[in-house]
Amino acid sequence: DAGITQSPRYKITETGRQVTLMCHQTWSHSYMFWYRQDLGHGLRLIYYSAAADITDKGEVPDGYVVSRSKTENFPLTLESATRSQTSVYFCASSVAGQGLGEQFFGPGTRLTVL
Amino acid sequence: GENVEQHPSTLSVQEGDSAVIKCTYSDSASNYFPWYKQELGKRPQLIIDIRSNVGEKKDQRIAVTLNKTAKHFSLHITETQPEDSAVYFCAASAPRSSNTGKLIFGQGTTLQVKP
Repeated sequence: DAGITQSPRYKITETGRQVTLMCHQTWSHSYMFWYRQDLGHGLRLIYYSAAADITDKGEVPDGYVVSRSKTENFPLTLESATRSQTSVYFCASSVAGQGLGEQFFGPGTRLTVL
Repeated sequence: GENVEQHPSTLSVQEGDSAVIKCTYSDSASNYFPWYKQELGKRPQLIIDIRSNVGEKKDQRIAVTLNKTAKHFSLHITETQPEDSAVYFCAASAPRSSNTGKLIFGQGTTLQVKP
């Protein structure tokens, strides 16, 4: 769906560098999420946001920072990348709270940390 | 804490057979249970969902059943086709984190349908 996009789609970086993954949605969904996907672990929630300027930690937040100054954008920053952060990152958005609405996923960003 | 267990991790069936994937959840207050399909290299996409006031829901060849007492729900795919080959994720809402839209995902099941 063109409604939620992620950039870059692929990124290679080195240990210790700062990396920002972008997520943009055009639906004005209130809720946005960042997941990482690793073999054997499924989708693990990093951070989520219920609205602009409201963010909270998920299951695996260490080493990540988020912000949400505008409803449509939800960037994820790795402050000092580590090899263990090599993963596929998915952004998602949802119109409904209380876990009652479909989450729409972006196409993903494959990040490699050397 | 909130947890969703999914089994099996891999499943191989012959084309035309049925496939069943099972999930259990820990939070009795969970009230929304979606299933996502993820094809190789693609994003997860919702295929069916069920809410806690319903015991079963069908959509063509796929169905989901929910047993609230036992805290488990299952995905059933009948007359499987090669294009059903993918990773399937179950999820449960995390209502104790009120009004967040959070979902807790299972670990995923890789389904292979052999022609």
